[in-house]
Amino acid sequence: DVKVTQSSRYLVKRTGEKVFLECVQDMDHENMFWYRQDPGLGLRLIYFSYDVKMKEKGDIPEGYSVSREKKERFSLILESASTNQTSMYLCASSTRGGSSYEQYFGPGTRLTVT
Amino acid sequence: AQSVTQPDIHITVSEGASLELRCNYSYGATPYLFWYVQSPGQGLQLLLKYFSGDTLVQGIKGFEAEFKRSQSSFNLRKPSVHWSDAAEYFCAVGASFGNEKLTFGTGTRLTIIP
Repeated sequence: DVKVTQSSRYLVKRTGEKVFLECVQDMDHENMFWYRQDPGLGLRLIYFSYDVKMKEKGDIPEGYSVSREKKERFSLILESASTNQTSMYLCASSTRGGSSYEQYFGPGTRLTVT
Repeated sequence: AQSVTQPDIHITVSEGASLELRCNYSYGATPYLFWYVQSPGQGLQLLLKYFSGDTLVQGIKGFEAEFKRSQSSFNLRKPSVHWSDAAEYFCAVGASFGNEKLTFGTGTRLTIIP
């Protein structure tokens, strides 16, 4: 069974803290994605990566950075957390070519910044 | 760039009744289309997808969707809903050329009443 796991289901951080959200997939997928989900706004793409050490900005990259040192792991970094980054964060992965658009999602991390 | 509209924010249906969730897309060529479901507190699960060929696609859990190019629509249907279908449903579109990203709609929340 395919698996995308995220390091935390719930996280509470203070304003100004550096926050790391980790995502691991066991499907040997080339593509990995970070989204944030907010009520009424759906899923918005923050960053994606199509290979190790490669990354591209999505629709809302401001205030975020990412790291992909290994194929199976994709990290989202909030350099200095702010209250407007309180949200649900979803990680996804997909293979390259063929069914590449079929994304597999992790359970999400609900981040609260106080 | 592609875009997706889900015009219904919230739909309430009686258990056993039929269901149709609307999705309209904007893309210059034939798109790749998806429906995902998100149960409370969970990540997204793929219900069905359209890449090409037969415009009526069958998915899991008894769902189906029909691609109508003339109406730029990809509506999701189920003949008889069950209480376990209560969830949020997302339509997504991928460009058939270029990068392998998906653009998601804002979602439709489905409530089932006994």
